Amino acid sequence: ETGVTQSPTHLIKTRGQQVTLRCSSQSGHNTVSWYQQALGQGPQFIFQYYREEENGRGNFPPRFSGLQFPNYSSELNVNALELDDSALYLCASSWRDSPYYEQYFGPGTRLTVT
Amino acid sequence: DAKTTQPPSMDCAEGRAANLPCNHSTISGNEYVYWYRQIHSQGPQYIIHGLKNNETNEMASLIITEDRKSSTLILPHATLRDTAVYYCIVRANTGNQFYFGTGTSLTVIP
Repeated sequence: ETGVTQSPTHLIKTRGQQVTLRCSSQSGHNTVSWYQQALGQGPQFIFQYYREEENGRGNFPPRFSGLQFPNYSSELNVNALELDDSALYLCASSWRDSPYYEQYFGPGTRLTVT
Repeated sequence: DAKTTQPPSMDCAEGRAANLPCNHSTISGNEYVYWYRQIHSQGPQYIIHGLKNNETNEMASLIITEDRKSSTLILPHATLRDTAVYYCIVRANTGNQFYFGTGTSLTVIP
């Protein structure tokens, strides 16, 4: 158990809809990163939030957006859902000022787009 | 960011040491090597990391070659619960984004 929690566990949406996924970081961590993991692939970095601002982004379109709150929890929002957005969405928390930057992952949210 | 290369799959007999190799020939001098594993449909689990010295913790040992172009993760006494996908990652030079590859699927055989 890492102390990182995500909600919901599973979600089914229809193409074109919008979805919000939530993540609570481990106590003492100030940075949250989001990853998308398609079936059979490794996690792909979406973006990272530090001090409530985006701090790096992978190769994902603007319809993927996020927020970080003062308590360091975070949301991932995806607009105009596409079938290819079906994946396991992982968040990971870390302490930005640590030289080692190990990230601790939550259990993920399984999103299915039909 | 340095890329990593890992064999897609490996088997190991239960109770034996599992040695998982990783190539990272373009690693920069200040980039760390991290290992994570992911048991089916769960979030990745941190195992160990290192810069240039060998490291050991309660889960595994990490051996990094002197030129830092490759490393090996060693699980000293593999159990069935070690069956998972193992990812070797080199930390991005800026920020703390991790770039995962496709990893090595380790199967521990009874």
